[in-house]
Amino acid sequence: QKEVEQDPGPLSVPEGAIVSLNCTYSNSAFQYFMWYRQYSRKGPELLMYTYSSGNKEDGRFTAQVDKSSKYISLFIRDSQPSDSATYLCAMSPPGGNKLTFGTGTQLKVEL
Amino acid sequence: GAVVSQHPSRVICKSGTSVKIECRSLDFQATTMFWYRQFPKQSLMLMATSNEGSKATYEQGVEKDKFLINHASLTLSTLTVTSAHPEDSSFYICSARDRRATNEKLFFGSGTQLSVL
Repeated sequence: QKEVEQDPGPLSVPEGAIVSLNCTYSNSAFQYFMWYRQYSRKGPELLMYTYSSGNKEDGRFTAQVDKSSKYISLFIRDSQPSDSATYLCAMSPPGGNKLTFGTGTQLKVEL
Repeated sequence: GAVVSQHPSRVICKSGTSVKIECRSLDFQATTMFWYRQFPKQSLMLMATSNEGSKATYEQGVEKDKFLINHASLTLSTLTVTSAHPEDSSFYICSARDRRATNEKLFFGSGTQLSVL
């Protein structure tokens, strides 16, 4: 079993839809949780960063962490074609140098 | 967010040649940089952790003599793929963390697409 599980998709939604992306994990030591967006043949771009459980909102993006269920989510409201990309979840324990990544979910927002 | 510059963005080389990829943190100092490899439609695989002024730490299965890493300053790390072969063709990405940061945020370069003929 992988430490971090993420549905690779592809996920196709119409413009304006609410998108829900999620990851599950098995390592209870993970405390830092991140979401990255990666366009084709580009480096990942940090979207959201959260520590421990709870919600965090930034514009159209909301990140949720439920440590009791070992489940994290990223919600995108009013999705736009420019949101079409691969979304990677990543996490690490405190003081840990290494991030553990999910496989990424490919999202396509259609006009 | 912090800026990490990676160069070149794309390189095509003949089998047997060596290729050097540079990773620079432009507006911060990074004691530690990381090198990843990514195959199409797959996630990032950590290859090695580059530590300024000391030897890199390689992940299991990664040949240190094949993938030479140098981290001579707090803003520059290089990855050299020696005697490249077609199976080394991949997307290589570096990342760095601000040495002053108290969080775990990691910033990535734009990646290098290596094609070995």
